[in-house]
Amino acid sequence: DAGVIQSPRHEVTEMGQEVTLRCKPISGHNSLFWYRQTMMRGLELLIYFNNNVPIDDSGMPEDRFSAKMPNASFSTLKIQPSEPRDSAVYFCASSFGQGVTDTQYFGPGTRLTVL
Amino acid sequence: GESVGLHLPTLSVQEGDNSIINCAYSNSASDYFIWYKQESGKGPQFIIDIRSNMDKRQGQRVTVLLNKTVKHLSLQIAATQPGDSAVYFCAENTGGFKTIFGAGTRLFVKA
Repeated sequence: DAGVIQSPRHEVTEMGQEVTLRCKPISGHNSLFWYRQTMMRGLELLIYFNNNVPIDDSGMPEDRFSAKMPNASFSTLKIQPSEPRDSAVYFCASSFGQGVTDTQYFGPGTRLTVL
Repeated sequence: GESVGLHLPTLSVQEGDNSIINCAYSNSASDYFIWYKQESGKGPQFIIDIRSNMDKRQGQRVTVLLNKTVKHLSLQIAATQPGDSAVYFCAENTGGFKTIFGAGTRLFVKA
């Protein structure tokens, strides 16, 4: 299995631009998570999908952030408009099941820099 | 607020020695704990977990200890190897899907 796939691996953009991050979960997994990692705040859960349905988006910072999961094999996290404080590494993770003990498998992350 | 924290931000050990990484948690309702390893440029990787009804669990070269009385979690790595150099996160879960990650401890292994 290729594991969780994220693209792009690196993204540099200017303030005000739209940014779209992509994730392909592990085949057969039915839960998908988006995290943001910064030095100041550590690893934070942004949103969680189960069976393609957003279950909790309380971690999404503000309306500039949106996430979709149109099917079981693809999810996007969009920031519009982007701001310098959005600079971080964004991770996607997937798991099989919806229980608390289901192991989450993380992708390699997308390093976003907003100038 | 409820959070998971770490006593030591960095730990340096000699190759072959045992490593102990500590973690304090504040939510007594947490019932599931996980240790993750994150190597440079990669996402966190599951190492070992433990439920609150246990106080010790062993894996391959790793042991997690849970002391609910003082809300303390530790990860022990036996015979530490250079490949163990990474940032280690403890994480807690109080039920449901939301996992709260600690700040992380960087482990340096000296050859």
